[in-house]
Parts: sequence; structure tokens; C-alpha cells
Amino acid sequence: EVQLVQSGAEVKKPGESLKISCKGSGYSFSTYWIGWVRQMPGKGLEWMGIIFPGDSTTRYSPSLQGQVAMSADKSINTAYLQWSSLKASDTAMYYCARGISPIKFDFWGQGSLVTVSS
Amino acid sequence: QSALTQPPSASGSPGQSVTISCTATSSDVGGFKYVSWYQQHPGNAPRLIIFEVTKRPSGVPDRFSGSKSGDTASLTVSGLQAEDEADYYCCSYAGSNNFGVFGGGTKLTVL
Repeated sequence: EVQLVQSGAEVKKPGESLKISCKGSGYSFSTYWIGWVRQMPGKGLEWMGIIFPGDSTTRYSPSLQGQVAMSADKSINTAYLQWSSLKASDTAMYYCARGISPIKFDFWGQGSLVTVSS
Repeated sequence: QSALTQPPSASGSPGQSVTISCTATSSDVGGFKYVSWYQQHPGNAPRLIIFEVTKRPSGVPDRFSGSKSGDTASLTVSGLQAEDEADYYCCSYAGSNNFGVFGGGTKLTVL
């Protein structure tokens, strides 16, 4: 059974760093994209970026390039999304998803809620 | 503002059909050849219901169908059921197919 399990909710202060994770199981982790999707409170889905764990190829949404960083450790079937300096506007639910293509996400994680508040 | 425009809301009565549109409003949406649709119930992760414009993943009822004409893709839900009440998002490529973009979403209400 394909599963993506994300790390738990986080409460951080502006300026702090954060790294959230997404662990895949039940499939060959290295051979599918992992996408990250943001959903701000009460808002729609936002395509953030994708990473191919096999060779760590990444593609970012131009609007988010430089604001977040994606990485993956294929040895432990885990992808990461990280911030070096959080802002209040980063408050959102973040989903990871398995990507057969950059726009075809067939399995999703449960979401990681990130709250940034002073 | 998303490069893919969806109506904010749609509604229909049980048993009826409803169609949700998704229009590419930016030339940056390269070719608009591939479109996916996602369903999201409140508090849940999205679910893929249509990919490559017209294809359904296994397990998705055939009440859900997709189509495209020019710069507008459409999702039709036939034989509306109460459980179809959810938010629906289209998704396509942008930036010479280098990245993706979601539409703004449509809240479907089953009356």
C-alpha cells in the first residue's frame, strides 16, 4: 500500500528555521516525483515545487523560488521542505504528494500544519 | 491571480449534472495540453479524480468526466450525490512545462 506520512504540526516564531518531512512507503521512492502543495487558511491549493528523489532534480514555482528549499534522502525514502527564515505568511497546511508527473499527484500525505506567529 | 481561472462556486440538486470550467488566462500556461482535476473535502487532503484531461484513476466513479476545448477544460459531475459536495481544483503546466499551477478552486454545493 502506497503511503506518504508527513511530520507533525509545528508552531514557530518569525525568523526561525524549519524542516518538515514526508516519508514514502509501499513503492519505489526514487522513481516518482514528490510534490509540495501549500494551502493557506481558507484558501486554495498552490503548487510549490517538485523533487525527483532519484537524482534530486527540483523544479520550483517562480513565485516561491528562493523562499523554500526541497531536498530528499532516498536512502530513507524521505523528502523535505525547509525554510531558513519563516514569516507569518508561511502559515499554512503543507501537503506532499507522489507525482507520476509534475501535475499528476496520485497519493497524498495527510498534511503538515505550520503556524508562524510571534 | 492564478493563470487558470475557475468559477468560485457551482451547485446542483441530487441527480443533476454540473460542469465546472477551468480557463487558461495566461499564455504562460504552455499548450494547456495536460489537465488534472482534484477533489478536496473539508479537512482532507486533495484526491486526484481526472488526469490527462479525460482519464480517471481507478476507483473514481464514472460520474466524473473531463473534457477540453481550446483554452477551457471542464469537469462534469453527473448524477450528483451528497458526497460530491467539495472543492474542485484544476491543474496544468506552466512556464514551458517546467512547473505546475492550480486553478483558484470551485466550491461545489449539492442543494
